[in-house]
Amino acid sequence: GESVGLHLPTLSVQEGDNSIINCAYSNSASDYFIWYKQESGKGPQFIIDIRSNMDKRQGQRVTVLLNKTVKHLSLQIAATPPGDSAVYFCAENIIGTGGFKTIFGAGTRLFVKA
Amino acid sequence: DSGVTQTPKHLITATGQRVTLRCSPRSGDLSVYWYQQSLDQGLQFLIQYYNGEERAKGNILERFSAQQFPDLHSELNLSSLELGDSALYFCASSVLGQPNNEKLFFGSGTQLSVL
Repeated sequence: GESVGLHLPTLSVQEGDNSIINCAYSNSASDYFIWYKQESGKGPQFIIDIRSNMDKRQGQRVTVLLNKTVKHLSLQIAATPPGDSAVYFCAENIIGTGGFKTIFGAGTRLFVKA
Repeated sequence: DSGVTQTPKHLITATGQRVTLRCSPRSGDLSVYWYQQSLDQGLQFLIQYYNGEERAKGNILERFSAQQFPDLHSELNLSSLELGDSALYFCASSVLGQPNNEKLFFGSGTQLSVL
């Protein structure tokens, strides 16, 4: 099952360093993956997405890598500022009858020290 | 601001009671999703509606129900509330509810406390 809050994995980095957040997904049939950022008191916010026919996608300061062989996603954040401190979730879209479900991973808490 | 509006922001009630959470999706979005976020269970998908029809179902309890109205707003009804239902409930919306290319836009959530 998934778990967040008190048991969240935590990554602590210095301001200006690069951050790498990892995620393992569960369904080999998933073909669309998204990273979300959740700041305290707010809902998750889209960061970047990637389809299964790609292994890398770059955005502004962020890069997502997808390794389908081992069902692994990573989010790389360049020159991380304190404002990036938040919980980061990977999510996979699983297609079911009549619709799809976006299933979230457990989340990783990122602390950026000034 | 995501454009998704949820009310109320906070709700405090007692066990056994029933509450209704409301969500207005982004302008133009036809699909609405409900998620529950608790400390020990993370973000759990509850249910999805598309243009008034139920599209997908997750781990939604029988005590919970939802609907999407013709104006596309949605309500999540929680009844016979238990202490364990205390959580943050998020609504999200997307344009079509199609896989492979749709990200979700989340509201700020309703914090439900069952005492």
